[in-house]
Amino acid sequence: GESVGLHLPTLSVQEGDNSIINCAYSNSASDYFIWYKQESGKGPQFIIDIRSNMDKRQGQRVTVLLNKTVKHLSLQIAATQPGDSAVYFCAEPNQAGTALIFGKGTTLSVSS
Amino acid sequence: KAGVTQTPRYLIKTRGQQVTLSCSPISGHRSVSWYQQTPGQGLQFLFEYFSETQRNKGNFPGRFSGRQFSNSRSEMNVSTLELGDSALYLCASSTRGGNYGYTFGSGTRLTVV
Repeated sequence: GESVGLHLPTLSVQEGDNSIINCAYSNSASDYFIWYKQESGKGPQFIIDIRSNMDKRQGQRVTVLLNKTVKHLSLQIAATQPGDSAVYFCAEPNQAGTALIFGKGTTLSVSS
Repeated sequence: KAGVTQTPRYLIKTRGQQVTLSCSPISGHRSVSWYQQTPGQGLQFLFEYFSETQRNKGNFPGRFSGRQFSNSRSEMNVSTLELGDSALYLCASSTRGGNYGYTFGSGTRLTVV
C-alpha cells in the first residue's frame, strides 16, 4: 500500500551542526515530494519540494536529496539553529494525486 | 496577506456529541482540504472541497462530513463523537487543490471525553 516513512523518530543535535533527516517512500511512481516543518502549536509549514526528475534541490540552509533507486529522501539542514527545533515530515501525493500522504515525522531537537 | 484561519483553536466535547470546525482559507484560494493528525496515525486526509463541491474523500466513516460556502470558507462536522476522534484537525488551502501548494492553518485541537 501507499506509505511514507521516516527512519528515526527523534534527532538531537548541537547548534551549528548539520542535521540530516531521512525518509523512505514506497510508491516508485511518485513524481513529487515535499518536506514540511511543524512547530509546536502550529500547522505544517512548507520547507522545500523536489520533482522526481531531480536528484537534489537547494534552498536557504536546506537541501533535499532524492535517491529513486532505493526510494529514499533526505533533508539536510546546514548550521542548525534552535529555531529549527520542530517535527519534520516528508510527504508524497497519493496514487490518485488527490491528497498528500505524510510520513510519521522526525522530531528535531537543537540544543545550544 | 492573512493565512489560513481555523476556529476554534481548542474544543472539549463529550462522547456522543457532535462538533463543527471552521476554516477560512487564504483569499483567492478555492480549494480547502482537511486532515486529521493523531500521535498514532499521523496526518491523514479527510476530504477536499473545491468551489463548494467535495472533490475527494479519504477513508473516514460517514460521521465525518464537511461543506464549503461560496466564499470558500469550509466547515467540517463530526457527529456521534468517539474518544478516538480526539485529534488535531488541520485545514489547508490552495489555489488549485489536489496536493500542490498547500498552506496549513494552525489547527483545531479536539478533545473528546
